[in-house]
Amino acid sequence: AQSVTQLDSQVPVFEEAPVELRCNYSSSVSVYLFWYVQYPNQGLQLLLKYLSGSTLVKGINGFEAEFNKSQTSFHLRKPSVHISDTAEYFCAVTPARGGSEKLVFGKGTKLTVNP
Amino acid sequence: DAGVIQSPRHEVTEMGQEVTLRCKPISGHDYLFWYRQTMMRGLELLIYFNNNVPIDDSGMPEDRFSAKMPNASFSTLKIQPSEPRDSAVYFCASSRQAVGQPQHFGDGTRLSIL
Repeated sequence: AQSVTQLDSQVPVFEEAPVELRCNYSSSVSVYLFWYVQYPNQGLQLLLKYLSGSTLVKGINGFEAEFNKSQTSFHLRKPSVHISDTAEYFCAVTPARGGSEKLVFGKGTKLTVNP
Repeated sequence: DAGVIQSPRHEVTEMGQEVTLRCKPISGHDYLFWYRQTMMRGLELLIYFNNNVPIDDSGMPEDRFSAKMPNASFSTLKIQPSEPRDSAVYFCASSRQAVGQPQHFGDGTRLSIL
């Protein structure tokens, strides 16, 4: 079975500051990793995903994440945030055994960008 | 390209009433998922289907909850009878059956049971 831990439930930052949202996972098998974003009153949208290859993955809206197998981490970063990045961010994993099956989500990190 | 469509967007009803939530997945997607989101428990997977067949319903909280997928373009989640603790946002998501395909979420149904 897989599990995901998002270490920070809330992260406040100022506009134009860098941000890192942390995600650690546990799994006995290889996994695929995802970051989703949820804006108020909306569903989750895919930010980026890691399947294989380069451990640095670039996503939409200037976000990127780095897969670290030895530390079982997949932290999300953005060098300069905007007010519009205020949202909740979810890290998720699924076994990399083929097919599209259920995702295991973390509990989410609420990012608040202040002016 | 239409996304996942859920209806209604909001539902307010009294305890004991039957509630039916509806979902239209993205055309061509093979998997359909139902989730529940609350402040206390976060995002929970209730049930998912593959090619209209329920695969895992271990997340369904109790017998009051049921889900069906009569065809590839429609699914329902029913609660009967409803209770105040069922109040939550319910999301439907769909995905293709291929390696590493992400799930695409609808905008959810905000359910309030009085």
